[in-house]
Amino acid sequence: GNSVTQMEGPVTLSEEAFLTINCTYTATGYPSLFWYVQYPGEGLQLLLKATKADDKGSNKGFEATYRKETTSFHLEKGSVQVSDSAVYFCALMPSSASKIIFGSGTRLSIRP
Amino acid sequence: EAGVVQSPRYKIIEKKQPVAFWCNPISGHNTLYWYLQNLGQGPELLIRYENEEAVDDSQLPKDRFSAERLKGVDSTLKIQPAELGDSAVYLCASSLVEADYNEQFFGPGTRLTVL
Repeated sequence: GNSVTQMEGPVTLSEEAFLTINCTYTATGYPSLFWYVQYPGEGLQLLLKATKADDKGSNKGFEATYRKETTSFHLEKGSVQVSDSAVYFCALMPSSASKIIFGSGTRLSIRP
Repeated sequence: EAGVVQSPRYKIIEKKQPVAFWCNPISGHNTLYWYLQNLGQGPELLIRYENEEAVDDSQLPKDRFSAERLKGVDSTLKIQPAELGDSAVYLCASSLVEADYNEQFFGPGTRLTVL
């Protein structure tokens, strides 16, 4: 079946630190991959996406590369800010369906 | 442009009571989704509508949950009767199905507490 496994949180970093949140997936075919972010008190927002192998999604300084050989889509940012504190969800959409399958989320807290 | 609107934002009820949630999608979006998000978990799809038709309701517990999307615009999700385990956040999302990819836009959710 289709599933997403992501790094458990919480993750606490100091401002300007380098961030990696690991995500691996299991899927048949060629799914689309996403990172969603949920800021406190707000709805889920799409952060970035990649629709085929070797694609790199990027937004707001965050990046993730679709690695089919390792079935991974790790989220990275070179220098985090306090405003990046949120819950981050890795997700996939199977090639044969319109439903999104989410990981369990990783809570990120950034200290000033 | 207004985003996905949900109401109420919070609801507290006693077990065995009925409850309903309302969602108004982004104007022009033909596909609407209801997700359930338990504490510390990612959202899980309950039901997906394309226009008025429920095209995927395989994860909806039909003994107590029901949903409707009359006229293919806004939607209501109902639970009757509610159980303690239904305490969660109920998310609505909408999208416009296009050729190769349909981004889903999420509402802020309704947080349900069943006492």
